[in-house]
Amino acid sequence: DQQVKQNSPSLSVQEGRISILNCDYTNSMFDYFLWYKKYPAEGPTFLISISSIKDKNEDGRFTVFLNKSAKHLSLHIVPSQPGDSAVYFCAASANTDKLIFGTGTRLQVFP
Amino acid sequence: AAGVIQSPRHLIKEKRETATLKCYPIPRHDTVYWYQQGPGQDPQFLISFYEKMQSDKGSIPDRFSAQQFSDYHSELNMSSLELGDSALYFCASSLAGAEAGELFFGEGSRLTVL
Repeated sequence: DQQVKQNSPSLSVQEGRISILNCDYTNSMFDYFLWYKKYPAEGPTFLISISSIKDKNEDGRFTVFLNKSAKHLSLHIVPSQPGDSAVYFCAASANTDKLIFGTGTRLQVFP
Repeated sequence: AAGVIQSPRHLIKEKRETATLKCYPIPRHDTVYWYQQGPGQDPQFLISFYEKMQSDKGSIPDRFSAQQFSDYHSELNMSSLELGDSALYFCASSLAGAEAGELFFGEGSRLTVL
């Protein structure tokens, strides 16, 4: 049973608009969440993270929101750029234990 | 369904020893990635292989080497181990060109260097 779920395999957004990528989790013990970005033929690279003591973390155009009661987090990219086109992975861990990854959402930003 | 298998799950070594971690990708997956996650740190990309050839290289120390074999399993070899090599090592696999770009991670191998 998947503990981290990204229910949308793909998302298409126009350049300049907001991209919202969603992630749901089932394990209430998760206390640290990360987003990874992957370009074709490259390994995923770390993008942004959030601890469970926060509900928002912002880094430039990227903001991650955490809703613990709903066991839901989202990544907002504003404004979206064509270079943001990639696959985005959500990951979670409990007590600095191993990371559990979602299956990814492919974002395509078109001009 | 078969997942990514990593072995051993736990390994304890002493400084200056050598360690080998193994990764068995999901059947038919041709791409393997290695990640290192130190205590309290985010996973860092080490190296990846596609069709038995190195495809991308991240922050992998010179003391480490890796390869992908004909059956697509991969091994990460770590020599002259240092205390700082203690970490959780993740392997992930994918099928190159897969439409969804899905990446499947193993449960990790925890290396402790004493």
